[in-house]
Amino acid sequence: EVQLVESGGGLVQPGRSLRLSCAASGFSFDDYAMHWVRQAPGKGLEWVSGITWNPISSGSIGYADSVKGRFTISRDNAKNSLYLQMNSLRPEDTALYYCAKDRNAASTYYFDFWGQGILVTVSS
Amino acid sequence: DIQMTQSPSSLSASVGDRVTITCRASQSISKYLNWYQQKPGKAPKLLIYNTSSLQSGVPSRFSGSGSGTDFTLTISSLQPEDFATYFCQQSFSTPPTFGGGTKVEIK
Repeated sequence: EVQLVESGGGLVQPGRSLRLSCAASGFSFDDYAMHWVRQAPGKGLEWVSGITWNPISSGSIGYADSVKGRFTISRDNAKNSLYLQMNSLRPEDTALYYCAKDRNAASTYYFDFWGQGILVTVSS
Repeated sequence: DIQMTQSPSSLSASVGDRVTITCRASQSISKYLNWYQQKPGKAPKLLIYNTSSLQSGVPSRFSGSGSGTDFTLTISSLQPEDFATYFCQQSFSTPPTFGGGTKVEIK
């Protein structure tokens, strides 16, 4: 059974940093691209970032314009884990952050499994 | 970025009803349109990908159609467990973008 478990969320002041983690199990993690998708309270879904199975070349990592330059996605295939380093956080980054699996090794944006989400609240 | 517009934003229906939700893209996305179901407090679940392909385990009462800019999700006979919010999403180009959602409520 595919499982994605996010951790690392919480309340943080504007301008500070936070690192999210996603522990994956039940599938061959290094065969698939992975993504972060967020949902502000009561709002719709917004893709944040994605990373291919083996991000060694340009174009293997992508970011939404809203987070580019502030957030960094990474993965450790040996630990079956996905990460999101979030710097210079803003109140508008407040959301439930989901870890999502792609159906393919490249980022093709078919999100076939999702974690339960982790809440990030940016407030003073 | 490609804008995705869903309609209606909400609807009320009864068990057994046929329900149709539409999604329009701001430019052609060929067949690269996916549908998700989200229940309160839960993560989204992929229902349909590439316009009409049913994700494994999804009941056959769900179907999708369309191409280019206009797409439809149909639930042929609404069941109690189908009351949820439905989102469309384009996977044609980066960034992938979602529609605003359609909340299906009990009449």
